[in-house]
Amino acid sequence: DIQMTQSPSSLSASVGDKVTITCRASESISNYLNWYQQKPGEAPKLLIYAATRLQSGVSLRFSGDGSGTDFTLTISGLQPDDFATYYCQQCYRNPRTFGQGTKVEIK
Amino acid sequence: QITLKESGPTLVKPTQTLTLTCTFSGFSLTATGVGVGWFRQPPGKALEWLGLIYWDDDNRYSPSLRSRLTFTKDTSKNQVVLTMTNMDPADTGTYYCAHSGVWQSYRFSDYWGPGTPVSVSS
Repeated sequence: DIQMTQSPSSLSASVGDKVTITCRASESISNYLNWYQQKPGEAPKLLIYAATRLQSGVSLRFSGDGSGTDFTLTISGLQPDDFATYYCQQCYRNPRTFGQGTKVEIK
Repeated sequence: QITLKESGPTLVKPTQTLTLTCTFSGFSLTATGVGVGWFRQPPGKALEWLGLIYWDDDNRYSPSLRSRLTFTKDTSKNQVVLTMTNMDPADTGTYYCAHSGVWQSYRFSDYWGPGTPVSVSS
């Protein structure tokens, strides 16, 4: 299985901050990388697919970058609604593994 | 508008078989390229991919669960069914189904059901 490692596991930030979350794959996955946001008690929400493509309806504050093994999710100008847990997922090979999640908390 | 909703028992006993139904609307599982994925999430833990059922029955399963999992579909009812045998307390969590979107060769889960909690306990 391809292992996905996110860092950090959690972070504290203030409204308006720029936040970057990193996801590293154990082998190259080209750009077959998705990012999801999940709030407590809710289903995940797709933010980014194919590493850089913004899902329809998702705020332009979110952006994705990377290819191969190293990827980032950036939130520019953190808003109160952005405090959540973020997951990366590779869709290069089955099983389509997730990272362990990054919890973004209010400072 | 695409919607999905999971249903099934909230409590099963160890060794029993779990059957969950995902009822969807807004798309057809007879259309080429369409798929529905299954996921789960133990309390306080990360998401886990269980597998995918495709329009052409080319189903894919997580290797770690392959021997226990089966996906079937009823296209007339717009339903997908997950069956997991020999349930264990480690299988406790929230189970989700999701529409598998596609762009070029890229797949992603763009519409999710709200999830259904499953507890495995005697």
